[in-house]
Amino acid sequence: AQSVTQLDSHVSVSEGTPVLLRCNYSSSYSPSLFWYVQHPNKGLQLLLKYTSAATLVKGINGFEAEFKKSETSFHLTKPSAHMSDAAEYFCVVSDRTGNTPLVFGKGTRLSVIA
Amino acid sequence: EAGVAQSPRYKIIEKRQSVAFWCNPISGHATLYWYQQILGQGPKLLIQFQNNGVVDDSQLPKDRFSAERLKGVDSTLKIQPAKLEDSAVYLCASRGQREETQYFGPGTRLLVL
Repeated sequence: AQSVTQLDSHVSVSEGTPVLLRCNYSSSYSPSLFWYVQHPNKGLQLLLKYTSAATLVKGINGFEAEFKKSETSFHLTKPSAHMSDAAEYFCVVSDRTGNTPLVFGKGTRLSVIA
Repeated sequence: EAGVAQSPRYKIIEKRQSVAFWCNPISGHATLYWYQQILGQGPKLLIQFQNNGVVDDSQLPKDRFSAERLKGVDSTLKIQPAKLEDSAVYLCASRGQREETQYFGPGTRLLVL
């Protein structure tokens, strides 16, 4: 069985400061891990994904995440927040085949203060 | 490349009425998914199709929900009769062969009164 825990339901940062969104996972198999972003009234957009290559994954819009097997974590970071980053972020786990369902966390709402 | 299309974008119905949602996946994508996203939660898989066959419908409330993908391209999801707790965003996603990434449509926001 697979599960995802997003440790914060809401994170608020000032524009220009670093962003950290935390995610822990549980998986019986070697996982694939994803971060998706959802802007209001928009579809889910893939930010980045980890499959089995480099543990530090770079995504779009300056985001990156590091896969840490020993900590079962896949935290999302960005050095400097922009107002346009305000959105809902979902950490997602699946197995490597892509044939099992994506399992979503409950989401973290990121607010960016001017 | 066009993305996943869904319609309608919004729907308001009364309980016990029926409603249908439509999804057109990315061209060539054999795998199609329907998710339900209740407010404040992450999306939950309802059903997965591979071409026109059902791969996983274990989480679909089959007493009221049905879905089809007759020609292996676009798909419809139906709720009949709707309940208040069906109020949610219904997301469609598609995936190409040998790909792990699922691409999501904008969703249909359903409100059941």
